[in-house]
Amino acid sequence: RKEVEQDPGPFNVPEGATVAFNCTYSNSASQSFFWYRQDCRKEPKLLMSVYSSGNEDGRFTAQLNRASQYISLLIRDSKLSDSATYLCVVNMESNYQLIWGAGTKLIIKP
Amino acid sequence: EAGVTQFPSHSVIEKGQTVTLRCDPISGHDNLYWYRRVMGKEIKFLLHFVKESKQDESGMPNNRFLAERTGGTYSTLKVQPAELEDSGVYFCASSQVGTGGFNEQFFGPGTRLTVL
Repeated sequence: RKEVEQDPGPFNVPEGATVAFNCTYSNSASQSFFWYRQDCRKEPKLLMSVYSSGNEDGRFTAQLNRASQYISLLIRDSKLSDSATYLCVVNMESNYQLIWGAGTKLIIKP
Repeated sequence: EAGVTQFPSHSVIEKGQTVTLRCDPISGHDNLYWYRRVMGKEIKFLLHFVKESKQDESGMPNNRFLAERTGGTYSTLKVQPAELEDSGVYFCASSQVGTGGFNEQFFGPGTRLTVL
């Protein structure tokens, strides 16, 4: 079983729509959670950290459910520029390793 | 401020040859990481330096891989001899020393390695 599982997609979504991605992680000792964004043939970039109480950054909302070991990302009013691969990432408190999901590809269509 | 830089951006070599990848972290970042993404798979951690010391090399696949960070500045990752399964994108990242909590890792553009 993979440590971090994501639906690979692609999710084809019309511009302006709302889209949600989910991710599950297997290690209950995971302490820190993130969503990274990766554009084609580019490096991953931190989109947002995910906090237990849930957090919002503009059109993006992240949620964490520790009991179910589940993380979500919601994108509202999607833009063409949101097209990318979204990577779910976790970290153990004991080290600095980032543990990655394989990513969910999002395509926003005009 | 300059970000993490990596050299070369692409490398194509034959099986059995040696390749050395270089990473220059963001100035002042003591933490330096190497990650790898093999085609169709998720990004995987290789190792972590704090200054010139290897803090965690649990992700290094085998002894054909050698990472160094002499002087605690730039780092090199040497693959010798390269095998077909070493093909992928090698990312380097750096972060500041933590004062509590997680410090964001900033990634370089990666080196795309193809072993023929």
